[in-house]
Amino acid sequence: QKEVEQNSGPLSVPEGAIASLNCTYSDRGSQSFFWYRQYSGKSPELIMFIYSNGDKEDGRFTAQLNKASQYVSLLIRDSQPSDSATYLCAVNLVGAAGNKLTFGGGTRVLVKP
Amino acid sequence: GAGVSQTPSNKVTEKGKYVELRCDPISGHTALYWYRQSLGQGPEFLIYFQGTGAADDSGLPNDRFFAVRPEGSVSTLKIQRTERGDSAVYLCASRRLLAGFYNEQFFGPGTRLTVL
Repeated sequence: QKEVEQNSGPLSVPEGAIASLNCTYSDRGSQSFFWYRQYSGKSPELIMFIYSNGDKEDGRFTAQLNKASQYVSLLIRDSQPSDSATYLCAVNLVGAAGNKLTFGGGTRVLVKP
Repeated sequence: GAGVSQTPSNKVTEKGKYVELRCDPISGHTALYWYRQSLGQGPEFLIYFQGTGAADDSGLPNDRFFAVRPEGSVSTLKIQRTERGDSAVYLCASRRLLAGFYNEQFFGPGTRLTVL
């Protein structure tokens, strides 16, 4: 089992709709969770981070964390063609591995006009 | 302010050659990371520096890979006897260490390494 898992997609979403991305992680003690967006040929850029259970909203983006179920999700409201990218979930594990981020494989999102 | 910079942006080399990849982190960021990203995959951790020392090098795939950060700022990733399987984008990230929680890393543009 991978430490951080994401559906690779592509997730095809009509323009204006909500894109819902999910990420599960195996280390129950994980504390910090990040969503990065990566355009093709570019480096990852941070969209959201979340530390506490519940929802966190920032503009059109909402991150949701459920530590009991070990998943974190990202909602993109009013999806735009410019949101077409790969979305990477990253987790800060605890213990000896706690100095780095562990990434999922990413979910490719395609927003169609 | 300036972000993380990496040079070169692209490097093409022949199998068996030696390469050096450079990373210049954001000023004041004590923590520096190297990741490797293959096509269609998420970044894979290689090594973490806190200051000048490698605090965690558990991700280096073998002893052909080595990294230094002699003055606690710029870092160089060195790959000896390159193999075709080393072809990937090498990403550098930096982070300002904060007490109490793990804050975000900022990524550089990456170096695309191609081993022929």
